[in-house]
Amino acid sequence: NAGVMQNPRHLVRRRGQEARLRCSPMKGHSHVYWYRQLPEEGLKFMVYLQKENIIDESGMPKERFSAEFPKEGPSILRIQQVVRGDSAAYFCASSPDRSHNQPQHFGDGTRLSIL
Amino acid sequence: GQQVMQIPQYQHVQEGEDFTTYCNSSTTLSNIQWYKQRPGGHPVFLIQLVKSGEVKKQKRLTFQFGEAKKNSSLHITATQTTDVGTYFCARNTGNQFYFGTGTSLTVIP
Repeated sequence: NAGVMQNPRHLVRRRGQEARLRCSPMKGHSHVYWYRQLPEEGLKFMVYLQKENIIDESGMPKERFSAEFPKEGPSILRIQQVVRGDSAAYFCASSPDRSHNQPQHFGDGTRLSIL
Repeated sequence: GQQVMQIPQYQHVQEGEDFTTYCNSSTTLSNIQWYKQRPGGHPVFLIQLVKSGEVKKQKRLTFQFGEAKKNSSLHITATQTTDVGTYFCARNTGNQFYFGTGTSLTVIP
C-alpha cells in the first residue's frame, strides 16, 4: 500500500510568489492534517481537513495561507505572496478517522525555501 | 494548556548507554503517542499509550504512561547508532495533535 504522498519534495520560490504543496493521503484515509516544522523545532499543527471540509484551521495564519481537500484529488496547502519566514518543512499526515486512538501517518514532507 | 513539554531538548550518549526522554502535561491526557523522526526524515509512529500506568515494550524501547495520565516516558536501553533521531510525544484533542518540543538523541560510536 502506498503511504502518504507529498509533492514536491523540495520547492524554491522567490518572495511574492505562490507555493502549492500537495498531499495524497494513504488509501482509505479521509482525514488530513498539515504541519509546519522549522529547523530543530517540533511540529506545529496548521489545519485539519476531511474531504471537502475544513474541520479545524486554528493553527493556520489568517492571511496568505489556505488549504483544501477536494472530493477528487489531493489536499492542497497554498501559500500566497511567500516571505522568507515561510521557509520550513511542511508535513502532511493522514488517518482513517478522527478517533483519538488513531496514529498519524506522515508523508516525506515538502521543504520550502524562499529566496 | 494544550501543549506537552519534553525534556531534555538534546541528549548525547555513548553507544551502549541508556537514554530517557520525558513528556509532561499540565492536564490529564486521554492518550499519548510517541513518534521518531530521523534527521532529514518524517515522523514515524512508534506507539500509543491509553491506560493509566501502562507500560509497553518494543525490543530495547520501553514506554510508560504515568498513573495520573499527565506524563509519559520513553526509555531506550543500550543505545545504538540506529537510535539517532528526534523523539516526539504527541497528545490528541480530537481535532488537533499537539506535538512536544522533541528530544534530539545523538549516539556517539
